Amino acid sequence: SQKIEQNSEALNIQEGKTATLTCNYTNYSPAYLQWYRQDPGRGPVFLLLIRENEKEKRKERLKVTFDTTLKQSLFHITASQPADSATYLCAPNTGGFKTIFGAGTRLFVKA
Amino acid sequence: EAGVTQSPTHLIKTRGQQATLRCSPISGHTSVYWYQQALGLGLQFLLWYDEGEERNRGNFPPRFSGRQFPNYSSELNVNALELEDSALYLCASSSVLFGPGTRLTVL
Repeated sequence: SQKIEQNSEALNIQEGKTATLTCNYTNYSPAYLQWYRQDPGRGPVFLLLIRENEKEKRKERLKVTFDTTLKQSLFHITASQPADSATYLCAPNTGGFKTIFGAGTRLFVKA
Repeated sequence: EAGVTQSPTHLIKTRGQQATLRCSPISGHTSVYWYQQALGLGLQFLLWYDEGEERNRGNFPPRFSGRQFPNYSSELNVNALELEDSALYLCASSSVLFGPGTRLTVL
């Protein structure tokens, strides 16, 4: 069955450093992959979408890579700030009617 | 333009009761997707409505049901509530537009 793995342990980093989050998937071939931010008790907020034929996508301090051979996406936040503290969800999508989400990685950025 | 809206924000029920949650999609969107997110877990797909019809449902028992109205708003009904139904219920009108969620607590 389709499986999505994100670091289950929280990631703690110092302000100003680069945070790198990992998303691995197995048993399917997504056409694209989405990353979301979720704050406690709130709905996910869409951040970035990267397609299978794109190696890298950037948006301001965010960078996403997509390696279809490794079946992996990396999500980077450069010059991290305490306001970046949240849970980040990945969602590799085959383009079907529903989006399947990973459980998310909690990021804490210390001032 | 208003985003996806959900009501109520919080809902407290006791075991065995019924809960009704509401969602209004973005204007012009005809689909509503419902997800359940139990504490510390990922989003689990519940139901998909489009053009007033249930198009697909996730691996949840029949006591989770709903409907979509002609104005494309949607209701999620959970009957015979169990303690493990306590969760954040999210609706979305696309894969990128989520509502703020309804926190359901079953005592």
